[in-house]
Amino acid sequence: AQSVAQPEDQVNVAEGNPLTVKCTYSVSGNPYLFWYVQYPNRGLQFLLKYITGDNLVKGSYGFEAEFNKSQTSFHLKKPSALVSDSALYFCAVREGRSGNTPLVFGKGTRLSVIA
Amino acid sequence: NAGVTQTPKFQVLKTGQSMTLQCAQDMNHEYMSWYRQDPGMGLRLIHYSVGAGITDQGEVPNGYNVSRSTTEDFPLRLLSAAPSQTSVYFCASSYRSEGSYEQYFGPGTRLTVT
Repeated sequence: AQSVAQPEDQVNVAEGNPLTVKCTYSVSGNPYLFWYVQYPNRGLQFLLKYITGDNLVKGSYGFEAEFNKSQTSFHLKKPSALVSDSALYFCAVREGRSGNTPLVFGKGTRLSVIA
Repeated sequence: NAGVTQTPKFQVLKTGQSMTLQCAQDMNHEYMSWYRQDPGMGLRLIHYSVGAGITDQGEVPNGYNVSRSTTEDFPLRLLSAAPSQTSVYFCASSYRSEGSYEQYFGPGTRLTVT
């Protein structure tokens, strides 16, 4: 069964500094990996995904993530954090074998960007 | 497109009452799912459907029923509400093809069971 771990409940970063939100995964086949963001009292919004190809994927709002197969990681990054990036971030994985496998989410990491 | 819509936005139930949370999407997505979000638990999958007439259980299905009679609608039924079902419920949908498509989420239903 697939699983996702987000080892940090909370990440604090100063505005303008680079940020990293960590994610590791476990699947038996090829992974499809996703990052979502949730602002207060809102649903989840898609940020980016890795399906195949280049290990560095770019997404919305200047975010990017790096797929590392040997470390089974998919860390979310941004070169320069904004206060408006403060939100709850979720990593998710699906086994890329068929369209029937459900998407499994991590427990989330709360990012706080301090001005 | 309205995307994924959920009703109601808020609901308070007494223990033992039943109700249906509505979810609809207008993007012709084959795949639909229901999650619950609890503090410190992330999103946990309740039920999902890969197409009309096909449903399957997720991680936490007990106490919930679903059906998928049309592509557009995927209602979630609470048979006999319990305080443990107090949560925020999200419906999501996506194209099915090999699972590579991102899911679109509704705005959520905040349910309180007293």
